[in-house]
Parts: sequence; structure tokens; C-alpha cells
Amino acid sequence: EAQVTQNPRYLITVTGKKLTVTCSQNMNHEYMSWYRQDPGLGLRQIYYSMNVEVTDKGDVPEGYKVSRKEKRNFPLILESPSPNQTSLYFCASSSGGSDYGYTFGSGTRLTVV
Amino acid sequence: GQQLNQSPQSMFIQEGEDVSMNCTSSSIFNTWLWYKQDPGEGPVLLIALYKAGELTSNGRLTAQFGITRKDSFLNISASIPSDVGIYFCAGPTGNQFYFGTGTSLTVIP
Repeated sequence: EAQVTQNPRYLITVTGKKLTVTCSQNMNHEYMSWYRQDPGLGLRQIYYSMNVEVTDKGDVPEGYKVSRKEKRNFPLILESPSPNQTSLYFCASSSGGSDYGYTFGSGTRLTVV
Repeated sequence: GQQLNQSPQSMFIQEGEDVSMNCTSSSIFNTWLWYKQDPGEGPVLLIALYKAGELTSNGRLTAQFGITRKDSFLNISASIPSDVGIYFCAGPTGNQFYFGTGTSLTVIP
């Protein structure tokens, strides 16, 4: 089944403790992206990647890192999480570029205390 | 970044009613997409629009690409309980992809 898989689905952590949210897609998509969803703000793009070893900042990149060493994987790294990073995070991938929209994972709900 | 404003922010309707929502942008888009997010899930693409004035249907859903290129509209006819969710408009600018603020739809049986 074609899908974007994120792990974990739920995570509670403490301020300052490094964490990684994994994302993997099995559709051979070139484009991948991370979004955070907050009430009233819709989905905001954190980082995106157009291909292996090519990553760019979205609108809200502060406090996040990403890497794209392989086509299928695009992990999101929070080196020192803070409470304002408590949010619902989505990974997404696309075959035809941004014009064709993204396929989304099921989300990771992160709480930083 | 781009600002995509959706209205209304939320809607409560009776089953069987028709629904209309819209999305406006301060700048021009060449592609408009509409997504639906079910509770606890990621957004799923409903309709894609690629040409100003284009009207596209997907079952009971119809979306239009505004002729100014700064807006788009989504209509749902004869709503049913499974239409419940958050509807997002979205569009690309360069290599970035922006989402609207969302319209939350509740359908009362």
C-alpha cells in the first residue's frame, strides 16, 4: 500500500531533550515536507526537500532540523525542544512537485512539558 | 509567507444541506487544491484546480478556481455525516506549499 509512515504517533517529552520524528514513504517520491498544525493557524511548512541531500526552510524552521540522506526517509529533529513546539506534526510527500499536492502521513502529536 | 484565509472558520449544518466555503489569498496562485482532514488523520487531497475559472467536481464536491487567481471555492451538496472534518485550501508558490486556516464542518444528523 502506498503510504507515508510517521513514528511515533504520540510523544510526550521534557524541555531540552533531543528527539527525532521519523518519516518514510514507499512511493519513490522526490518531494517531501514537514508541517505543524496548530488551532486557528492551519498547517505551516517547517522544512521541505526536493531531492536527496537538498533541503530548504519553510515558514517556521526555527528550532527544527531535517536531513535527506535517502529518498524514502525525511526525519525531523528537535535538538532542544521547548513547550512552544507542542503541536501536531505531519510529514508529506509528492511525486510531481508542489503543483500536484502532497500525500500526508497520519501525524505525530508532540507534547513538550 | 503566504496567507490563505478561509471562511467560514466553522460550520454547523443539518444533514442534507448544501455547504459553501471559500479561500482567499493576497497574491496570485496558479494551482489551487482542496484537502479534507478527518479527525485524527492527515489531510487527504479532494480536488486540484490548474486553470483560472476552472470548475471541477468529485462526487458531491465541486470546486472552482477564481478568475482573479486569488481565490477558490468549494461546495458540498447534500451533506452526509461522513463529511465532518476540516477542509483546507492549499496552493504552491515556487517550491513551497501553503495551506489555508481551515473550515471545520460539523454535520448534524
